[in-house]
Amino acid sequence: GAVVSQHPSWVICKSGTSVKIECRSLDFQATTMFWYRQFPKQSLMLMATSNEGSKATYEQGVEKDKFLINHASLTLSTLTVTSAHPEDSSFYICSASQSPPAGIPLYGYTFGSGTRLTVV
Amino acid sequence: ILNVEQSPQSLHVQEGDSTNFTCSFPSSNFYALHWYRWETAKSPEALFVMTLNGDEKKKGRISATLNTKEGYSYLYIKGSQPEDSATYLCALRYGQNFVFGPGTRLSALP
Repeated sequence: GAVVSQHPSWVICKSGTSVKIECRSLDFQATTMFWYRQFPKQSLMLMATSNEGSKATYEQGVEKDKFLINHASLTLSTLTVTSAHPEDSSFYICSASQSPPAGIPLYGYTFGSGTRLTVV
Repeated sequence: ILNVEQSPQSLHVQEGDSTNFTCSFPSSNFYALHWYRWETAKSPEALFVMTLNGDEKKKGRISATLNTKEGYSYLYIKGSQPEDSATYLCALRYGQNFVFGPGTRLSALP
């Protein structure tokens, strides 16, 4: 089945540094990538949606200059947390979708395994 | 902002017990309701996708129902096994976007 590889699985960084998280689709072309974050005891919240070759669309309240998303190829999308601060400590997870096959209304979304970011 | 709720937040069952939990949401037009099973340190695994009122899906010992008119979906696990221990997420899909519930964490004890 479809697999999305997300790295790193956890990272600890100093306040003020930048951290890059990668999501790779291993056996399919991810035309759309979704980035979510989850704070403790809360739901996954969509941060942004990116389509390959286009600028990402950010949800209200998510700073596009702080959370840089690159989706330059059909198999790789990256999220860079710039100038990270302790309040950015969270669980970040990506989800990729393929182009829907013709005539099939529902198509799969495949998640990465997530990245736990701790900013100290 | 649409609010998807799940209950209970967590539960512990003994091996062999059957259990169920709830996903509730305001009645509205959505494309589909998804259930995911999420084990720690792994990727969420898709269990079911349901779209129509009255839909019922089954996969082995796990089944799910959907009531769009009253705004809820039930997930049932028959004869829980330790390997069923995970967080079960429900999510409503609007177009390409998902709104997730907070999950129900199940611990099935041997």
